[in-house]
Amino acid sequence: NAGVMQNPRHLVRRRGQEARLRCSPMKGHSHVYWYRQLPEEGLKFMVYLQKENIIDESGMPKERFSAEFPKEGPSILRIQQVVRGDSAAYFCASSPQREATDTQYFGPGTRLTVL
Amino acid sequence: AQSVTQLDSQVPVFEEAPVELRCNYSSSVSVYLFWYVQYPNQGLQLLLKYLSGSTLVESINGFEAEFNKSQTSFHLRKPSVHISDTAEYFCAVTSVGYSTLTFGKGTMLLVSP
Repeated sequence: NAGVMQNPRHLVRRRGQEARLRCSPMKGHSHVYWYRQLPEEGLKFMVYLQKENIIDESGMPKERFSAEFPKEGPSILRIQQVVRGDSAAYFCASSPQREATDTQYFGPGTRLTVL
Repeated sequence: AQSVTQLDSQVPVFEEAPVELRCNYSSSVSVYLFWYVQYPNQGLQLLLKYLSGSTLVESINGFEAEFNKSQTSFHLRKPSVHISDTAEYFCAVTSVGYSTLTFGKGTMLLVSP
């Protein structure tokens, strides 16, 4: 059973470009969470999605950031007009249910560098 | 609101020495607590979790953590560390009614020979 897959593992963008980060949850998991890890910081929650629905986006910046989890295909985190401050590791996690007791399984992350 | 404090950003120890990584949390409701480990350039892996019942929980590789409600703590311990335990360790909390994890800033465990 494959784990959570993220691609690309490394992404370099110039200021003003768009970044698209992909996450395929574990088989059977329909709940996806995106977290951002800034240097010297812990992980910060960004957005929680279920298939075709955004459940909680309270941690997502209001501008330039968007996320989706379509019926078919991976979840996408999209950052428009990237700035240097967007440089970070972005982790996706998935769980089978919505229960707080469910373990979230993390992918290897996408490390975004903005030049 | 929930929060997690990991007091030590870095803990250097010698191989085979005991170690304790501290974690304190704040929450107004009943909590579920987790320790995750992150090896260099990898994602987070669950080490152990407390949901209910026995306050002492153990992992398969010798780590243990004890939930202390009065101290609002969930410290991670290992009686004898290995070089391979070198990694960053994150404490996290969630609660009934929350869907997401709140993480501490992490503690880097550095094990030297």
